Amino acid sequence: DGGITQSPKYLFRKEGQNVTLSCEQNLNHDAMYWYRQDPGQGLRLIYYSQIVNDFQKGDIAEGYSVSREKKESFPLTVTSAQKNPTAFYLCASSVLAGPNYGYTFGSGTRLTVV
Amino acid sequence: GESVGLHLPTLSVQEGDNSIINCAYSNSASDYFIWYKQESGKGPQFIIDIRSNMDKRQGQRVTVLLNKTVKHLSLQIAATQPGDSAVYFCAENRNYGQNFVFGPGTRLSVLP
Repeated sequence: DGGITQSPKYLFRKEGQNVTLSCEQNLNHDAMYWYRQDPGQGLRLIYYSQIVNDFQKGDIAEGYSVSREKKESFPLTVTSAQKNPTAFYLCASSVLAGPNYGYTFGSGTRLTVV
Repeated sequence: GESVGLHLPTLSVQEGDNSIINCAYSNSASDYFIWYKQESGKGPQFIIDIRSNMDKRQGQRVTVLLNKTVKHLSLQIAATQPGDSAVYFCAENRNYGQNFVFGPGTRLSVLP
């Protein structure tokens, strides 16, 4: 079945450490997105990419970095510059044209600073 | 500023009753809307969508209503079941193919 896979499901980070969250999709979607979700809040866009080797900052990109070397993959690195990284991270993908371009989401990665 | 929001953060309904979840948006240029359901610890799942040239769209046990005059979107769930317990998000898209903006969500609790 086609889908979008995030790993790991749970991740723990020490102070000053960089960690990378994986996101892979086999839906042949052009666009991929990273969102952060905090308790009681909506989804906030971190980064997005509409084509390989290109990506744009979202609303809260500071302290994060991404790459898009393959269409299927869009990993997110949470750097030590992100001062409050504890959150639930969601990856999504979508087509860019056609009648239905809503997002397909992964199951999320919960990151906790220890 | 422009935003997508929900009136009620929490909604409790009896099993078997109908549920109505509301969403307000402020940008009249928004032309595509989606409702998502998010169960605890999982990613959001697509429920139903509607375009601005429609007032109503029905799915299986769900109906979305769009009132462009007052910039209001609602999700109706018929005969609410325990499995409907989740957080529901509305999302709007202002430019075709661009990024969606999500509201904060409403938690639906189904009481036995």
